[in-house]
Amino acid sequence: AQRVTQPEKLLSVFKGAPVELKCNYSYSGSPELFWYVQYSRQRLQLLLRHISRESIKGFTADLNKGETSFHLKKPFAQEEDSAMYYCALSGGQGAQKLVFGQGTRLTINP
Amino acid sequence: GAVVSQHPSWVICKSGTSVKIECRSLDFQATTMFWYRQFPKQSLMLMATSNEGSKATYEQGVEKDKFLINHASLTLSTLTVTSAHPEDSSFYICSASRGGYSPLHFGNGTRLTVT
Repeated sequence: AQRVTQPEKLLSVFKGAPVELKCNYSYSGSPELFWYVQYSRQRLQLLLRHISRESIKGFTADLNKGETSFHLKKPFAQEEDSAMYYCALSGGQGAQKLVFGQGTRLTINP
Repeated sequence: GAVVSQHPSWVICKSGTSVKIECRSLDFQATTMFWYRQFPKQSLMLMATSNEGSKATYEQGVEKDKFLINHASLTLSTLTVTSAHPEDSSFYICSASRGGYSPLHFGNGTRLTVT
């Protein structure tokens, strides 16, 4: 069964501090992992996906198959990073059918 | 960029009535659309996969007769909540993709309140 776990429902850090949002997954095959972000009063949007290996808005995430993790990191948090972040997994069907984690609400304090 | 429009943004209806929610891809064709349900402070739960020109595929535990999905064209999928009850009150979100490895684009969601 596919499962995504985000252990932190809430995360609060100060501006300029490093940020790490944890995501662990369970999947027997070769998964595709994504991070989606939802800013206040906006729709869910793709932040990054592991196959792209790109950095968006200073965020990066590395797929660690040994630890079945896909943690989202940013070295210096900015106030505009405050949002709801969802980790999601696709069972190899492209970006199609997704299983989402519970989400982590990130708050950046000034 | 790709835009998915969802309508209405919110709706209040009485128990026993039916409500239709529309999901449109405005500037691209979507062979597949997805419908999710989100309870307060919880994650998105996939309800069904809507395929253009064919029957929707429902996730386990989702009543197909309760949540009717129609994907009549490459730009429109509708979700009809039939004989709504207060427990159907929730936030419903759709997403659409061009297919293959294209990213999903999400609608703004519809908040349904059944009184």
